[in-house]
Amino acid sequence: QKEVEQNSGPLSVPEGAIASLNCTYSDRGSQSFFWYRQYSGKSPELIMSIYSNGDKEDGRFTAQLNKASQYVSLLIRDSQPSDSATYLCAVNPTNTGNQFYFGTGTSLTVIP
Amino acid sequence: SAVISQKPSRDICQRGTSLTIQCQVDSQVTMMFWYRQQPGQSLTLIATANQGSEATYESGFVIDKFPISRPNLTFSTLTVSNMSPEDSSIYLCSVPATYYGYTFGSGTRLTVV
Repeated sequence: QKEVEQNSGPLSVPEGAIASLNCTYSDRGSQSFFWYRQYSGKSPELIMSIYSNGDKEDGRFTAQLNKASQYVSLLIRDSQPSDSATYLCAVNPTNTGNQFYFGTGTSLTVIP
Repeated sequence: SAVISQKPSRDICQRGTSLTIQCQVDSQVTMMFWYRQQPGQSLTLIATANQGSEATYESGFVIDKFPISRPNLTFSTLTVSNMSPEDSSIYLCSVPATYYGYTFGSGTRLTVV
């Protein structure tokens, strides 16, 4: 079982719609969760972090964490073509120090 | 957050040769991390580089293949040695961001022929 799993997609949504990206993880004791955006040919860019159950909003982005169900999601409201990228979920499991496990990423395309 | 300058941005190398990748950070950082991203795969941590001590390698990665130097708190190099086509990947260095998470360098796209 992979440490972090994401649906690779591709996920296509029309401009202005809500894009929903999901991630599940295997280590129940994980405490830190991050979402990165990676444009083609570019390095990952941190867009959201979440540590507690519930929702965390930052502009058009909302991260949701449910530790009991071991999933974390990212919602992008009012999706724009510039949001088209691969979104990587990263999890810091317990007792791994600085090790982060990344999912394989979900490719999102926002259609104008 | 720290700004990382990574080079080269890309290279095409012959099998059996070695390539050294450099990362320069604009501020002092205790830990630097080296990742590999193979085509269509997630990021995999190669090693953690601490200044003044040997790098700590993750399972599946060895110092002879990926020697790392960390001469000071702003600089590190990763060498990919005796390359084979399987080493074709994007290599990324990373440092802790100011408040949370990690910042990545721009990456080195390596193709081994």
